[in-house]
Amino acid sequence: GQNIDQPTEMTATEGAIVQINCTYQTSGFNGLFWYQQHAGEAPTFLSYNVLDGLEEKGRFSSFLSRSKGYSYLLLKELQMKDSASYLCAVRGRGSTLGRLYFGRGTQLTVWP
Amino acid sequence: EAQVTQNPRYLITVTGKKLTVTCSQNMNHEYMSWYRQDPGLGLRQIYYSMNVEVTDKGDVPEGYKVSRKEKRNFPLILESPSPNQTSLYFCASSPTARTGSNYGYTFGSGTRLTVV
Repeated sequence: GQNIDQPTEMTATEGAIVQINCTYQTSGFNGLFWYQQHAGEAPTFLSYNVLDGLEEKGRFSSFLSRSKGYSYLLLKELQMKDSASYLCAVRGRGSTLGRLYFGRGTQLTVWP
Repeated sequence: EAQVTQNPRYLITVTGKKLTVTCSQNMNHEYMSWYRQDPGLGLRQIYYSMNVEVTDKGDVPEGYKVSRKEKRNFPLILESPSPNQTSLYFCASSPTARTGSNYGYTFGSGTRLTVV
């Protein structure tokens, strides 16, 4: 199986920058996803990394290091609406193709 | 509008009474999957389907059945629901899950199931 770890909770203030880390141990790797989920709602897609390096998309960036089994999601210029749970997910490969493994999520609270 | 539609949104049922949660997507996606979400446990995969007539187990398939007879629909069947299946369920789809594809997964709005 897969083991995906991320912090349970984080807090930050409006306008600040926050980095949410995710570490994973996998038997096969076919990309890493970040999702945002507001309470009681469906997860929404934020980013995808399959090669090492940084992917930037507006206020959100995601980084991947496959050799270290490590990723982070960077949120800049935080807004109150960014208060949500952030989910790291790893897609399987080979015999686990079709599997999508989620971490337990990081609950981010943004204070004014 | 491109979307994944789940029904019902909320369901309260009794132990042992068979139920089906429907999932339909209008994006011609090959891949579909079911997850349950429980406090402190995150999203766990129940079943997935790489294409029509191709289904496979995820992490927590016990007590659930699925079928994929046509591309757009992927119903989740609970033959004999039990209280430990009380959860928030999500269906998701993607154009493909093949190696290297950068397509994200589109999730339905969720079904909150309570089994008493």
